[in-house]
Amino acid sequence: AQKVTQAQTEISVVEKEDVTLDCVYETRDTTYYLFWYKQPPSGELVFLIRRNSFDEQNEISGRYSWNFQKSTSSFNFTITASQVVDSAVYFCALLIKAAGNKLTFGGGTRVLVKP
Amino acid sequence: DAGVIQSPRHEVTEMGQEVTLRCKPISGHNSLFWYRQTMMRGLELLIYFNNNVPIDDSGMPEDRFSAKMPNASFSTLKIQPSEPRDSAVYFCASSPVGSNTEAFFGQGTRLTVV
Repeated sequence: AQKVTQAQTEISVVEKEDVTLDCVYETRDTTYYLFWYKQPPSGELVFLIRRNSFDEQNEISGRYSWNFQKSTSSFNFTITASQVVDSAVYFCALLIKAAGNKLTFGGGTRVLVKP
Repeated sequence: DAGVIQSPRHEVTEMGQEVTLRCKPISGHNSLFWYRQTMMRGLELLIYFNNNVPIDDSGMPEDRFSAKMPNASFSTLKIQPSEPRDSAVYFCASSPVGSNTEAFFGQGTRLTVV
């Protein structure tokens, strides 16, 4: 069975601070995909990034960066120089290729960026 | 493309009534998912379809819930009879062929059963 754990339920920062969201996953499969989604106060789920299990390269996209480490089964997400618009709930998710297309979500981390 | 379209956006109904949620996936996507989001359980998959065929409905809570996908551009999730504990946000998502692609989510239907 697969599982995604986001230990931080809520993080509060002041604008311009960096914030790192932790994600730890569990699976016995060797082929899998990891995702991050953002859920702003308006409620929709917005895709941010996808990573497959064979690609451990870190990625940077603007103020967002992701650190994937198979050795620790972690896929952490950092927002650099946070802005008020970053306030949202962020979900990490796991997809096991052998189990079909379904996503297993973590519990989410609520990020509150104060001006 | 307009993205995944769900209707209604909000639904308030009385306990015991039938509720039907609707979803139009992105054109060309052949996988469709229904998720439910609650404070207690977070985001959980209810059922998903590939090429209009239900593949995994193990997340459907009980017989009161049913889902159909009569064609590639439409799906429904029905609750009959509804109960207060069904109150949640229901998301529909779709993805293209292959299991390595992200799912695109609709804006959700907020259901309140009173």
